[in-house]
Amino acid sequence: EPEVTQTPSHQVTQMGQEVILRCVPISNHLYFYWYRQILGQKVEFLVSFYNNEISEKSEIFDDQFSVERPDGSNFTLKIRSTKLEDSAMYFCASSGTQGSYGYTFGSGTRLTVV
Amino acid sequence: AQTVTQSQPEMSVQEAETVTLSCTYDTSENNYYLFWYKQPPSRQMILVIRQEAYKQQNATENRFSVNFQKAAKSFSLKISDSQLGDTAMYFCAFMKHEITGANNLFFGTGTRLTVIP
Repeated sequence: EPEVTQTPSHQVTQMGQEVILRCVPISNHLYFYWYRQILGQKVEFLVSFYNNEISEKSEIFDDQFSVERPDGSNFTLKIRSTKLEDSAMYFCASSGTQGSYGYTFGSGTRLTVV
Repeated sequence: AQTVTQSQPEMSVQEAETVTLSCTYDTSENNYYLFWYKQPPSRQMILVIRQEAYKQQNATENRFSVNFQKAAKSFSLKISDSQLGDTAMYFCAFMKHEITGANNLFFGTGTRLTVIP
């Protein structure tokens, strides 16, 4: 069964550093998403991406965040200057339709900012 | 704004028994979708079941079924013949119907289910 692949599985970074979280969505999917889950809390929407541009973003997705689909395969989330409160599990997801049949999620990247 | 409430932080069930997880939501939308996702200790989010709001018939997927009450804005998940592999965090999620663009999910806070051997 097709999978969404995320790398790395765990990243530790120093506060103020830039990090790039990588995702390879399912190849024929058109819609891409990033969600995050702070430990013990609910899963929160960050951003959706379609047709090479951001479709929607949440209040969390401020100027420190950006997304890119650089080569038609990867879908990346960049955090420019990490803060302690960015420590969370970050999930990438993709869907073939607008998402109404559900997404396929990756297994997540655990980001720890120290 | 959409909100999803799961009032049971933790539940447990004996293996082979049936358990029901509760979920309520608040929306002014008429067309939307509801989902239950499972998050086992591996942390990956796995789609369990999906319901379209305009369909009155409750969705079923093998041992998993829902009780969708649109007027009450309630969407509970029933797991029959519980198995040890069902031990996980279960998230209820809401998605409104968008004509264009991607649709995002609004999640509840989750219910941690433990299946006891």
